[in-house]
Amino acid sequence: QQQVKQSPQSLIVQKGGISIINCAYENTAFDYFPWYQQFPGKGPALLIAIRPDVSEKKEGRFTISFNKSAKQFSLHIMDSQPGDSATYFCAASNKGGATNKLIFGTGTLLAVQP
Amino acid sequence: DTGVSQNPRHKITKRGQNVTFRCDPISEHNRLYWYRQTLGQGPEFLTYFQNEAQLEKSRLLSDRFSAERPKGSFSTLEIQRTEQGDSAMYLCASSLDGNEQFFGPGTRLTVL
Repeated sequence: QQQVKQSPQSLIVQKGGISIINCAYENTAFDYFPWYQQFPGKGPALLIAIRPDVSEKKEGRFTISFNKSAKQFSLHIMDSQPGDSATYFCAASNKGGATNKLIFGTGTLLAVQP
Repeated sequence: DTGVSQNPRHKITKRGQNVTFRCDPISEHNRLYWYRQTLGQGPEFLTYFQNEAQLEKSRLLSDRFSAERPKGSFSTLEIQRTEQGDSAMYLCASSLDGNEQFFGPGTRLTVL
């Protein structure tokens, strides 16, 4: 059972544009929502994360928007650059659980065209 | 570089052989996770250690898989009698608080 649904599967954005990736979750016990960036042949790198007590978190060009009632969260990449071209994964975990294991979405392949 | 290292980075083996991977977490992190990632998919949780105790194993972890973290530092993941379906990227992550998980570069396993 897929607990975190991610869209779109792929995304092409022009340099300087805004990239938007969306995720939806089912388990209301989830209370930590990170985004990871992965380049080919590398492990995922933690980009930014949010907890459900805030609706938005911004770090540099990266912003997470969170809608608790809709059980949705999204990643916005402002002023997208060719170096941002990578696969992005949303994830969720339950801090109240014993392990805090991450449940990942299926990923979005982002291509930023120069 | 997150500070989590994994060896080997690549492993090619024949079906039926045993393989072992190693993960060295960030030194002060007491939590260690193994995930598996197949092409075009997100990582899937395999198992979790807190210090040397293995506290959770996924149903994905068949009897052919075993993991250890003998002294609460490095961890090993062994796959016995490998099958072609085991071909994947095996990722290790470590954490201090259970939320921020830092991943290693992974071990790419190819079973011929």
